Amino acid sequence: VQLLESGGGLVQPGGSLRLSCAASGFSFSTYVISWVRQAPGKGLEWVSGISGSGDDTYYADSVKGRFTISRDNSKNTLYLQMNSLRAEDTAVYYCAKRMTTAGFDYWGQGTLVTVSS
Amino acid sequence: EIVMTQSPATLSVSPGERATLSCRASQSVSSNLAWYQQKPGQAPRLLIYGASFRATGVPARFSGSGSGTEFTLTISSLQSEDFAVYYCQQYKNWPPVTFGGGTKVEIK
Repeated sequence: VQLLESGGGLVQPGGSLRLSCAASGFSFSTYVISWVRQAPGKGLEWVSGISGSGDDTYYADSVKGRFTISRDNSKNTLYLQMNSLRAEDTAVYYCAKRMTTAGFDYWGQGTLVTVSS
Repeated sequence: EIVMTQSPATLSVSPGERATLSCRASQSVSSNLAWYQQKPGQAPRLLIYGASFRATGVPARFSGSGSGTEFTLTISSLQSEDFAVYYCQQYKNWPPVTFGGGTKVEIK
């Protein structure tokens, strides 16, 4: 199982960025996948999740209305479209595969998003 | 939202000693509780799920216990590679899943 994030970088406040997570080694369309972030020196914060089919999406209150999660099961890829970015969105963003009814058993290596002028 | 509280924030332990980490939920999560280990510059690693089941490849010195609102992660004999930050996470009420603030296990 591998999860590989990309798309991070430096963006100005109010700007946009799209993260990608390329998955391999498992039946991608079967599993819920989430984005979890970690601000510098801080703990883990769940950001968003999506069902295997992509029909159901979920967001933390802190990003609702600004971030959009999606997936392309034909490409085994997860996305996070981030708009209206704020300084407090600065973090390493991980994609994580959820076990069927339990925690996150596989994580990517993370991609750093820095929101600063 | 269920709030997860971990204690202590930092635990100083000598190699070979036992470490006991605590996690408390603001309301019952039954056994829907996971523990993760994170080392500097690395992604979290799943250690325990279902409050007491070790994930694949996790050494037997790691054990989890508890249910409802009180949980414990025990490392029976600390090895050098176990010095890290440990997080608990509830997944009973999804979404959202919520994490504790972490316990840093450092060398005494």
